[in-house]
Amino acid sequence: AAGVIQSPRHLIKEKRETATLKCYPIPRHDTVYWYQQGPGQDPQFLISFYEKMQSDKGSIPDRFSAQQFSDYHSELNMSSLELGDSALYFCASSLFPRQDPTGELFFGEGSRLTVL
Amino acid sequence: GESVGLHLPTLSVQEGDNSIINCAYSNSASDYFIWYKQESGKGPQFIIDIRSNMDKRQGQRVTVLLNKTVKHLSLQIAATQPGDSAVYFCAENPRDDKIIFGKGTRLHILP
Repeated sequence: AAGVIQSPRHLIKEKRETATLKCYPIPRHDTVYWYQQGPGQDPQFLISFYEKMQSDKGSIPDRFSAQQFSDYHSELNMSSLELGDSALYFCASSLFPRQDPTGELFFGEGSRLTVL
Repeated sequence: GESVGLHLPTLSVQEGDNSIINCAYSNSASDYFIWYKQESGKGPQFIIDIRSNMDKRQGQRVTVLLNKTVKHLSLQIAATQPGDSAVYFCAENPRDDKIIFGKGTRLHILP
């Protein structure tokens, strides 16, 4: 079965550079979530999209932006990278009805960003 | 603040024994809870979920217990196997469009 696809799997950037992570949800899933997981930390919610509109926002820095496109894939854009941005970035997708979760949240394998 | 947390960062269990991983949550509005398993270098994997109108739910070798009175969630793994070694997270959905993760518990399986 198709899973959530994230690219790239690994990314190395210098401080102050820009990075873009991509997420391709499971077909027919209309909701995408982005999480950031630092070493030894729990995943922190960044932002979510439902039907191409931002549906919720968490601890996403102002230097980061994201969007969901017409084909439901999503991109997380990170600018002015800092050392502290080094983390695993997970995308998840679901077919949750809003306000009434009845299904699973499927996670991708993550994109590991290293900022030097 | 609102948070979901686990009592122990690390748990060591003998192979074949039962494991119990605990979690405390603080958001009374949460009505949906999930346990995830995360192996090294991989994304969180759904194990089992429970709605707030239930106090117990069983899966294959796993059971989730929910005590809303004390805001406590637990995951029981029967006959723990080496493949159960991972970090386990409880998570909650506080009636909006995100899942909030608690602090993970690393489960070590002793031979």
